[in-house]
Amino acid sequence: NAGVTQTPKFQVLKTGQSMTLQCAQDMNHEYMSWYRQDPGMGLRLIHYSVGAGITDQGEVPNGYNVSRSTTEDFPLRLLSAAPSQTSVYFCASSRQAGPGNTIYFGEGSWLTVV
Amino acid sequence: AQSVTQLDSHVSVSEGTPVLLRCNYSSSYSPSLFWYVQHPNKGLQLLLKYTSAATLVKGINGFEAEFKKSETSFHLTKPSAHMSDAAEYFCVVSVGGNYGQNFVFGPGTRLSVLP
Repeated sequence: NAGVTQTPKFQVLKTGQSMTLQCAQDMNHEYMSWYRQDPGMGLRLIHYSVGAGITDQGEVPNGYNVSRSTTEDFPLRLLSAAPSQTSVYFCASSRQAGPGNTIYFGEGSWLTVV
Repeated sequence: AQSVTQLDSHVSVSEGTPVLLRCNYSSSYSPSLFWYVQHPNKGLQLLLKYTSAATLVKGINGFEAEFKKSETSFHLTKPSAHMSDAAEYFCVVSVGGNYGQNFVFGPGTRLSVLP
């Protein structure tokens, strides 16, 4: 019953450092995505993927990179961390990208950039 | 373009009284609609979803929601609030045609339950 697994759960970075948030799902879902959640702003889409080898930008992609080499994994890379990237990050997946598909979320990664 | 409005950023009820969390959407397509709940420091959990079958949808933990196309609403209700219902609730619309914005989230409503 793993579902969507994110690591790490908590991370503190210094400005300018890089890091990767890991995301894996074991449901053979085609669609995977990353969101950030900030107070009063709900969830905003960073990047998404509709299948292995296919990624695209969401609403707030600047400062982040993604890749999708396998169906299971969808890591999010922060290239040069900035305090504005302090946020809670959620990885999510669904069977397909079409309407009616339920989206499943990981437990979240709390990131602080100092 | 699709959008979701949650009319209240914060709702406070007493334990044992009814809960109403309001959601209105706009969509050019026939939408699928979801409610998710997020407890503090946790991920989002699916409460219920509407996908063009019955307009009254029953979810987990006694919640239900009614899809009203004429009002473009999908309000979440529960007859009797429990302390464990205190959480953040998100209304989500899912549409086809644009994979990147396939899931559009409302800003969330924080539910407080008073003893």
